[in-house]
Amino acid sequence: QKEVEQNSGPLSVPEGAIASLNCTYSDRGSQSFFWYRQYSGKSPELIMFIYSNGDKEDGRFTAQLNKASQYVSLLIRDSQPSDSATYLCAVNPSTEKLTFGTGTRLTIIP
Amino acid sequence: GAGVSQSPSNKVTEKGKDVELRCDPISGHTALYWYRQRLGQGLEFLIYFQGNSAPDKSGLPSDRFSAERTGESVSTLTIQRTQQEDSAVYLCASSPFRRARSTDTQYFGPGTRLTVL
Repeated sequence: QKEVEQNSGPLSVPEGAIASLNCTYSDRGSQSFFWYRQYSGKSPELIMFIYSNGDKEDGRFTAQLNKASQYVSLLIRDSQPSDSATYLCAVNPSTEKLTFGTGTRLTIIP
Repeated sequence: GAGVSQSPSNKVTEKGKDVELRCDPISGHTALYWYRQRLGQGLEFLIYFQGNSAPDKSGLPSDRFSAERTGESVSTLTIQRTQQEDSAVYLCASSPFRRARSTDTQYFGPGTRLTVL
């Protein structure tokens, strides 16, 4: 079992709709959870982090964490074409390093 | 201040040659990470520095790979006797590493695209 799993996609969402990205992780001791966005040919950039169960909202983005079920998700409301990218989930498995998922490729259809 | 910088941005080399990749972290960031990303793949952890020491080298794929960090600042990743499978983007990230919190955001550099012919 991979430490951090994401559906590779591609996930296609109409412009203006809600995009839902999911991630599961295997280490129950994980403390911190991150979502990065990576445009093609560019380096990852941080969107949000979360470390408490529940929802965390920042603008059009909402991160949701459920430690009992070991999943973390990212919702993007009012999806825009500029949101088209690969979204990487990263988990801090009780150590100083992050473990990344392979990413979900999201395409927003105008 | 400035973000994480890496050099060179692109490197083309012949199989069997040695290469050095450089990373300049954000000033004051004590933690520094190296990752490899092959085309269309996720991030593969290589090595992590806390200060100048490397407590976790578990991701280095072979003894051809080594890294060092000096002055709690610049880091160099060296690949000896490069092979075609070493072709990838090598990403460096830094973080402030506040031990009081397990949450530490990593900020990525633009990467070095290595092509081994």
